[in-house]
Amino acid sequence: AQSVTQLGSHVSVSEGALVLLRCNYSSSVPPYLFWYVQYPNQGLQLLLKYTSAATLVKGINGFEAEFKKSETSFHLTKPSAHMSDAAEYFCAVSDGDYKLSFGAGTTVTVRA
Amino acid sequence: DAGVTQSPTHLIKTRGQQVTLRCSPKSGHDTVSWYQQALGQGPQFIFQYYEEEERQRGNFPDRFSGHQFPNYSSELNVNALLLGDSALYLCASRRQGTSGNTIYFGEGSWLTVV
Repeated sequence: AQSVTQLGSHVSVSEGALVLLRCNYSSSVPPYLFWYVQYPNQGLQLLLKYTSAATLVKGINGFEAEFKKSETSFHLTKPSAHMSDAAEYFCAVSDGDYKLSFGAGTTVTVRA
Repeated sequence: DAGVTQSPTHLIKTRGQQVTLRCSPKSGHDTVSWYQQALGQGPQFIFQYYEEEERQRGNFPDRFSGHQFPNYSSELNVNALLLGDSALYLCASRRQGTSGNTIYFGEGSWLTVV
């Protein structure tokens, strides 16, 4: 079975500062990994995905994530936070059967 | 191009009642999955439908059932509602056979059980 652990339920950053959201996964097979963002009272929007191609994945809105097999990690970063980045972020894993297993989520607040 | 659409957006039900939620997948998509997202938690997989059959199921009781129609739209039914069923129910769709697992989510249906 696959699972993910998101370290830190809440992250607060200053506008313009680095955003770093941590995700570690557990999978018995090479995983597919995803980051989704959820704005208040909305559904999930895909930020980026890793599907065994390049280990550094670039997504929308300036986000990127690096797959590190040795660390079983898939951390999400953005060099410079914007107020519009305030949202909840979910890391998810799939073993290819298209069933996603999500982490508990990390809420990001951005300070002006 | 319409994305995944869900209805209703909000509803309130009483314990013991039954509820039906509806989902239309993104154009060109033929596989629909349902997820339950309780407040403050990540989404949990309920089940997946393809070719009008349930293909995979998560750890949910039989009170949760579904259906997929020939036009690929889907319904989620929950019987004998419990207070703990209060959650955001998300529908997701994809096209079978596509690589990269691109799964699109709808805005969700907020269910409150009182």
